[in-house]
Amino acid sequence: GESVGLHLPTLSVQEGDNSIINCAYSNSASDYFIWYKQESGKGPQFIIDIRSNMDKRQGQRVTVLLNKTVKHLSLQIAATQPGDSAVYFCAEMNYGGSQGNLIFGKGTKLSVKP
Amino acid sequence: KAGVTQTPRYLIKTRGQQVTLSCSPISGHRSVSWYQQTPGQGLQFLFEYFSETQRNKGNFPGRFSGRQFSNSRSEMNVSTLELGDSALYLCASSFRDRGTEAFFGQGTRLTVV
Repeated sequence: GESVGLHLPTLSVQEGDNSIINCAYSNSASDYFIWYKQESGKGPQFIIDIRSNMDKRQGQRVTVLLNKTVKHLSLQIAATQPGDSAVYFCAEMNYGGSQGNLIFGKGTKLSVKP
Repeated sequence: KAGVTQTPRYLIKTRGQQVTLSCSPISGHRSVSWYQQTPGQGLQFLFEYFSETQRNKGNFPGRFSGRQFSNSRSEMNVSTLELGDSALYLCASSFRDRGTEAFFGQGTRLTVV
């Protein structure tokens, strides 16, 4: 079946560096993508989303890039801080679909070294 | 504005028992979804409710059930617990049922022994 996958299960970066977390999706019908951050002991927290009519969307210190040609999604975190240490999930769905159609990837653990 | 509240936070049950988990969505949110999170399978969708109606159901056995009340609060029940049901159960609420940001609670950590 179709699923969302992540290229790297773990990522270690130095404080102050930029982080890039990648995600591959295979469902060509997906047109809405979300990045979530999950800290230890907490539920996933919405970071940023993007619809398929956009290639790039920026938030506070975060940027999501969408490459529909190769079905690739990335999350860039600028000036990574220790508080960014968490597991990051990408998720995909059809925007017209219900929340039950949201498919999550396995997650990438980001560790920030001081 | 209070976030999504899940109770209890932690639970230990014995195989064969049943369990009920509760979720209070953000005030005004009418959609509630439930997910099971395990290290091996990641986040898996259980079911979704909107205005007291189950709109979608994931690929879980009938031992997993849920409901939503008129105040949008939701409960999920697992009967005849198995060791493999040990997981973090997450509830998410959203204002509408389609294409909107979902806010997650902190989850209920269920351990089956």
